[in-house]
Order: sequence, then C-alpha cells, then structure tokens
Amino acid sequence: GENVEQHPSTLSVQEGDSAVIKCTYSDSASNYFPWYKQELGKRPQLIIDIRSNVGEKKDQRIAVTLNKTAKHFSLHITETQPEDSAVYFCAPEEVRGKLQFGAGTQVVVTP
Amino acid sequence: SAVISQKPSRDICQRGTSLTIQCQVDSQVTMMFWYRQQPGQSLTLIATANQGSEATYESGFVIDKFPISRPNLTFSTLTVSNMSPEDSSIYLCSVAENSNQPQHFGDGTRLSIL
Repeated sequence: GENVEQHPSTLSVQEGDSAVIKCTYSDSASNYFPWYKQELGKRPQLIIDIRSNVGEKKDQRIAVTLNKTAKHFSLHITETQPEDSAVYFCAPEEVRGKLQFGAGTQVVVTP
Repeated sequence: SAVISQKPSRDICQRGTSLTIQCQVDSQVTMMFWYRQQPGQSLTLIATANQGSEATYESGFVIDKFPISRPNLTFSTLTVSNMSPEDSSIYLCSVAENSNQPQHFGDGTRLSIL
C-alpha cells in the first residue's frame, strides 16, 4: 500500500506570512492528490486537489504543486489569516478512489 | 457537492453492545467509504462500501466487527459490534460520484464506550 509522510507535523506562522506543507508518497501509480482541512470538531473539507497531468494549481490564497518524479506534493497558503488555523491532511489516492491520509499538520496562525 | 447526512452525531454506549451508524446522501454516488479517526489522529480507512455486494475491508478491519450494508447508491450503514473502550473514536463516511471524483465527508459520529 501507499506510504505517506507529511511534514511538518506542526507549523506556527505569523498572520500574513506563508505556510508550506509537504507530502511524500511511495506509489508511483498514484494520480490524484487532494488536501483536506479539518477544523476542531468538524469534518475534513477538501480545499484543493491536483491530478498527475498538472504541475501546479491555484485557488486564491491556496496552491498545490506536484513533483511526480520525486513523488511529493505541497500545499502553499499565502497571506495566512487566523481562520487558516486547522489541521491539514494530504491524502494521495491509491487505487479505485481509496485515499491514504498523511498524519496531518497542525497549523497555527498567530495575529 | 452532495449533501451527506450521518446519524447519530454522537452516542455513548455500554461495552459489549453494538451501534449502527447511517450515512445518507442526497444524490446517487458510486463510491462510499467508512473511516475511523481516533482523537488527535489521522483518518484510517475501514472499508469501501460496495453497492449490492460485500464491502472491501482494509487490513486490520474485519466484517464480523464492522459489518457494512450498501443497499443502494444513496445509503450505507456501518455497525460497530461488541464494542470495547478501544472502539471510542469518530467514525466518518465519505462519498465520491465515481472513482475519478473528489471525496467528501459527512460530519462524523463521535462514539464513546464506557
């Protein structure tokens, strides 16, 4: 099965700064790479995803970059705001829709 | 995206009993999954709920402990059987229109076993 490593496990940033979370995976056949945000006590919410035929995707302050050769993809959050504080999970797809979740990154944005 | 309703939202149960969790979607979806999330941890896939056939379980999860039903394309249930305190966790269902589409989660069921 897929081995997923996510770094860092915690990330503290000043409001307005950028945050970057990296996810490495092992299965070279993976073709779909989503990021989820989970606020305390809430459901995981899909915030951005990318497929293997694309190297980068952006949605306002959030972007995802993919390096398929090196088998890693990263979440970039610019101009961070307090509401960005949450746990972020990468979840590369194994086969037939099965996602393998990383351990998560606790992001704390301080005003 | 689809509206996913999960019931109950929480429950406190006695050890040795069983609880069935329901997941209802407002549109037909091909893929339905059940996950477990222990406090402060990541999500672990329990099984893929297959419509009209037996669920596909991940390593470490068995049908006798976590029987799953999927009678149609909008509904699934997960039963946690013969519960022990180690089963205290959040159980989440997720759905995707098909295997190439994003997966979305229900609100989860917070289960505590005394």
